[in-house]
Amino acid sequence: SQQGEEDPQALSIQEGENATMNCSYKTSINNLQWYRQNSGRGLVHLILIRSNEREKHSGRLRVTLDTSKKSSSLLITASRAADTASYFCDTGGTSYGKLTFGQGTILTVHP
Amino acid sequence: EAQVTQNPRYLITVTGKKLTVTCSQNMNHEYMSWYRQDPGLGLRQIYYSMNVEVTDKGDVPEGYKVSRKEKRNFPLILESPSPNQTSLYFCASSFDGETQYFGPGTRLLVL
Repeated sequence: SQQGEEDPQALSIQEGENATMNCSYKTSINNLQWYRQNSGRGLVHLILIRSNEREKHSGRLRVTLDTSKKSSSLLITASRAADTASYFCDTGGTSYGKLTFGQGTILTVHP
Repeated sequence: EAQVTQNPRYLITVTGKKLTVTCSQNMNHEYMSWYRQDPGLGLRQIYYSMNVEVTDKGDVPEGYKVSRKEKRNFPLILESPSPNQTSLYFCASSFDGETQYFGPGTRLLVL
């Protein structure tokens, strides 16, 4: 799978604010996934959006996908201190499930 | 509770001393993978398995071995660890090869 590039590299906000991070990629995709990694903890799958979808919601998360621009955005609404983590996108879709992450976006939510 | 477990969580060892990191999942997933995560290099796949007795190399297989004798277990073996294998290791499983469920990670230090 190709490597998505997340930006910004770091994002610092106050609790209650919205956080938006982006993922860009180079070649066509079947799906795009977002994962979260809390400091010192494992990786958690957040949401998967398929290439024929434009927007998807899961709780406070909203993901959009623009295949013409080869980009996706992850919006976290009403952020909480517990949302502090690194966020990664993957544009895989291989048959053997290899994830390839970029450097991620480090989100810090201040109480 | 559906989960992927890894043991040990932390390990300090010396160069050349064989070690095994165990991984087990209780979700009856076909796919399992091992990754290592290093600062500046992101997440890289070491080995993956699509089913019992079916394994294949990922991006960085050198110095590692795996086996898949049972569906639920996928141990990672370092026959002769070296300092460049100091890393954070993750085991993951997947039912469809897309969405992956990660273990808590094993932090390995090779002296």
